[in-house]
Amino acid sequence: GAGVSQSPSNKVTEKGKDVELRCDPISGHTALYWYRQSLGQGLEFLIYFQGNSAPDKSGLPSDRFSAERTGGSVSTLTIQRTQQEDSAVYLCASSGLNSNQPQHFGDGTRLSIL
Amino acid sequence: QQQVKQSPQSLIVQKGGIPIINCAYENTAFDYFPWYQQFPGKSPALLIAIRPDVSEKKEGRFTISFNKSAKQFSLHIMDSQPGDSATYFCAASPNSGYALNFGKGTSLLVTP
Repeated sequence: GAGVSQSPSNKVTEKGKDVELRCDPISGHTALYWYRQSLGQGLEFLIYFQGNSAPDKSGLPSDRFSAERTGGSVSTLTIQRTQQEDSAVYLCASSGLNSNQPQHFGDGTRLSIL
Repeated sequence: QQQVKQSPQSLIVQKGGIPIINCAYENTAFDYFPWYQQFPGKSPALLIAIRPDVSEKKEGRFTISFNKSAKQFSLHIMDSQPGDSATYFCAASPNSGYALNFGKGTSLLVTP
């Protein structure tokens, strides 16, 4: 079956613009996660959705970042008024409900802020 | 605040050597400890994972050792090959269904 799909694969935008990043999880996966990986750095947790529960937004670095998940499937991460420090690879992962289900990552969106 | 500390930052071994990557954590609520392998330009892929009810887990040439009392765990790669050259991340979470807290990664180079 298809894996986690993210779009666009690359995004270049000017500082101050808003961007939307999309994640389509593996079919049937109830949990969806967004992470950010800056150059040479580890993966930083941003936000996590599990079923119909309220999302865990504790990793969002500022109020310019938001995310939603429609119909328990596709998720969109929005960054408003982008700054150069937002440049990174944004990775989405999904996992099943079973406690032994690992997180599967998409190929990411490489965001570059000029 | 880095909840999982990983070392070393980089590692070079010769083919056939046994690189060891170490991770430490403080949060006793962590109950799931996966390792991810990431090749350049690719997304991280799950390599092996362990829960604290066992002290060691092997999958092929990859072994996780876990020391619950010390709150440390490590990855050993037996008979390492140049194809193992990648960045390795350890992680921890209260369960596999929760967001992962990642270490900063170890860049491994296995020379021929």
